[in-house]
Amino acid sequence: QSVLTQPPSVSGTPGQRVTISCSGSRFNIGSNFVYWYQQLPGTAPKLLIYLNNQRPSGVPDRFSASTSGTSASLAISGLRSEDEADYYCAAWDDSVSGYVIFGGGTKLTVL
Amino acid sequence: EVQLVQSGAEVKKPGATVKIACKISGNSLSAYFIHWVRQAPGKGLEWMGLVDPADSDTLYGERFQGRLIITADTSKETAYMDLSSLRSEDTAIYYCAAGSVGDYSMGHWGQGTLVTVSS
Repeated sequence: QSVLTQPPSVSGTPGQRVTISCSGSRFNIGSNFVYWYQQLPGTAPKLLIYLNNQRPSGVPDRFSASTSGTSASLAISGLRSEDEADYYCAAWDDSVSGYVIFGGGTKLTVL
Repeated sequence: EVQLVQSGAEVKKPGATVKIACKISGNSLSAYFIHWVRQAPGKGLEWMGLVDPADSDTLYGERFQGRLIITADTSKETAYMDLSSLRSEDTAIYYCAAGSVGDYSMGHWGQGTLVTVSS
């Protein structure tokens, strides 16, 4: 059971906007930056969002993210078939000796 | 372009130790934190620990304390992960990732190394 809670799956049709939620606590999202990773089938993860809402170069602006209190969300607009992947949120957690935690992951299906 | 290339797949018996190498090209190892993340078959990502190659400082996830050693050899531009006392539950793909010093982003990833633990 992950400390960061994501829905196991979301789906949408091409062109639609979907959001993926990530729920945490004051020890992680509530006090530290959130990161989002995309993992296409059979490949290594890729950094999608860093420092809550910043996109690395090369990541389309269809991907955006935000945080509010102890929750974060990733939004994908203009959904495309190639967006079908697993998405993970991550954050530093202060509750023990300090470590990075990942959410359980959300499988995005493009119908 | 920064690239991370990991050593090849391993098959180990329970109780053994596995060592995986992660070599960087396109920039200096010292410019990044090097993280290790694993993914069991069909499961999510699990952060294991990190090393700051500039001073060899390490940080380990609580679950791996006592079993995990992460090192970095800047002369070889290579980081290493040693995981000991292997059990079947350690069967996974192990990734190294390079991230910005000062935050915990992982912007560059290796291709992954499959470790199979089986008697």
